[in-house]
Amino acid sequence: EPEVTQTPSHQVTQMGQEVILRCVPISNHLYFYWYRQILGQKVEFLVSFYNNEISEKSEIFDDQFSVERPDGSNFTLKIRSTKLEDSAMYFCASGPRQGGTEAFFGQGTRLTVV
Amino acid sequence: AQKVTQAQTEISVVEKEDVTLDCVYETRDTTYYLFWYKQPPSGELVFLIRRNSFDEQNEISGRYSWNFQKSTSSFNFTITASQVVDSAVYFCAPDLYSGAGSYQLTFGKGTKLSVIP
Repeated sequence: EPEVTQTPSHQVTQMGQEVILRCVPISNHLYFYWYRQILGQKVEFLVSFYNNEISEKSEIFDDQFSVERPDGSNFTLKIRSTKLEDSAMYFCASGPRQGGTEAFFGQGTRLTVV
Repeated sequence: AQKVTQAQTEISVVEKEDVTLDCVYETRDTTYYLFWYKQPPSGELVFLIRRNSFDEQNEISGRYSWNFQKSTSSFNFTITASQVVDSAVYFCAPDLYSGAGSYQLTFGKGTKLSVIP
């Protein structure tokens, strides 16, 4: 069964460092998403991406964040200068169409900023 | 703002008891989808069900059932004869139009279910 895969599963980084979280969506999907979950809290939408551009982004997704689909298969989330409060689980998701699709979630990357 | 309320933060039940997890949401949309996800201690999000707002028939899948009431904007989830493996955090997540051109899942805060043997 096709699945969304994320790497790494856990990343520890020092405050101020740049991190790139990687995702391989399901191959025929067109819509891509990043969500974030701070420990013990709800899952929050960060950004949606379609046709090589951002469809929508939340207030959380400030200038420190960027997304890219560099090679037609990977979908990355970059945080330029990490802060302690960026520590969270980051979920990538993809879907074949917009709306009404059970976004297929990756297993998540746990980011710890120290 | 469109929002989702899962009023029960934590629930504990004894194995084999039935348990219902509540979800109430606010939306101006007339057409939308509703989801439930399970998050076990390992952290991944496991898809459980998708319902569309046109269909108010209750749905049953094994020990799981869902009661959708569009008039009250509720989409409750019942586990029958609970098992220890059901222990997890459960999220209700309507897929709502953001008004800015895209849909996004809007998660509730989740209900942590503990099933005691």
